[in-house]
Amino acid sequence: NAGVMQNPRHLVRRRGQEARLRCSPMKGHSHVYWYRQLPEEGLKFMVYLQKENIIDESGMPKERFSAEFPKEGPSILRIQQVVRGDSAAYFCASSASGALEAFFGPGTRLTVL
Amino acid sequence: SQELEQSPQSLIVQEGKNLTINCTSSKTLYGLYWYKQKYGEGLIFLMMLQKGGEEKSHEKITAKLDEKKQQSSLHITASQPSHAGIYLCGADNFGNEKLTFGTGTRLTIIP
Repeated sequence: NAGVMQNPRHLVRRRGQEARLRCSPMKGHSHVYWYRQLPEEGLKFMVYLQKENIIDESGMPKERFSAEFPKEGPSILRIQQVVRGDSAAYFCASSASGALEAFFGPGTRLTVL
Repeated sequence: SQELEQSPQSLIVQEGKNLTINCTSSKTLYGLYWYKQKYGEGLIFLMMLQKGGEEKSHEKITAKLDEKKQQSSLHITASQPSHAGIYLCGADNFGNEKLTFGTGTRLTIIP
């Protein structure tokens, strides 16, 4: 049973471009969480999704950021018109409904030039 | 809002020695998660505690949650180089695995 998968592992974008980060949860997991880890800072919650629904997006910046978890396929975190301050490691975690464990993926390291 | 403090921020321990990392919450927790992160990598799930007074062990790592469910400790016995990394505690306040993380404890093991 593969763990949580994220791709790409490293992503370089120039200012103003779009970044798309993908997260495939563990098999059987229907809950996905996105976190951001800024350099020298802790992990911050961004958004919590279930299939086709955004449950909690209280940690998402109001502009340029969006997330989805379609019925089929991976969860996508999309950042439009990236700025240097978006450079960070983005982690997703998944859990099964009612479970009390959340497993993290290896992260995507976004660098904005 | 939930505040989670970890102490110490960094720790240097000689191989073979025991050590303890603490995590204190400003609110009563639904659950408390411990993770380990190696530089440049993802988080490895260690343990999750939910009940007041609960204690769990895995290999040489023991985690405890106090009766009030506001403080947890992670204890490593006879530390090894493989234990080096950043230890993060995460607080679950609502039972939905939406976690608030502490800033981490950076553990270095020296020979």
